[in-house]
Amino acid sequence: SYVLTQPPSVSVAPGKTARITCGGNNIGSKSVHWYQQKPGQAPVLVIYYDSDRPSGIPERFSGSNSGNTATLTISRVEAGDEADYYCQVWDSSSDHPCVFGGGTKLTVL
Amino acid sequence: QVQLQESGPGLVKPSQTLSLTCTVSGGSISSGSYYWSWIRQPAGKGLEWIGRIYTSGSTNYNPSLKSRVTISVDTSKNQFSLKLSSVTAADTAVYYCARATAMVMSDWGQGTLVTVSS
Repeated sequence: SYVLTQPPSVSVAPGKTARITCGGNNIGSKSVHWYQQKPGQAPVLVIYYDSDRPSGIPERFSGSNSGNTATLTISRVEAGDEADYYCQVWDSSSDHPCVFGGGTKLTVL
Repeated sequence: QVQLQESGPGLVKPSQTLSLTCTVSGGSISSGSYYWSWIRQPAGKGLEWIGRIYTSGSTNYNPSLKSRVTISVDTSKNQFSLKLSSVTAADTAVYYCARATAMVMSDWGQGTLVTVSS
């Protein structure tokens, strides 16, 4: 099945830019979706189809996808952005079509 | 705004069947082109997709769980359900239900903890 690789942790100072990567074989040919999960809460969709934002998600959240890496970018990071972030793809050609990355813990210093 | 709520036993004995229900409010489960999904998360670990059911009744399952999983829908009650048979301690997790389009899980329930223990 398709494998998505995320760094276990990323740290950033408030007001700076955080970039969380999601690696996969030719991931640029797939649509990538990102979820934010705060402790004790359900995941929340923050980016879908590589770079679209659901209503209510701040413009500080953006996404890109090319080659073997998709990236979630959070600009002007705030303390409230501290959370786990998961990437996800749907691979229709696979018998295991829905795959999540292992998750990245974003720490705001 | 659709809302989803999981319900079911919080404790299941090994070898028994885990049964959970997701109640959908704020919209009809049979309207629109949505997939109704189950995802789980062991404590301190990542998300694992279990499977989904379309409004037509067609299903897709995680192949690692397929032999033990059944997802069904009850449109009269606006609910869908998960059954996982022959559970072990490895099935202990928070279980989430979610509404999805073809690829994206846009709305999630709050999750329910299921512990497998004698």
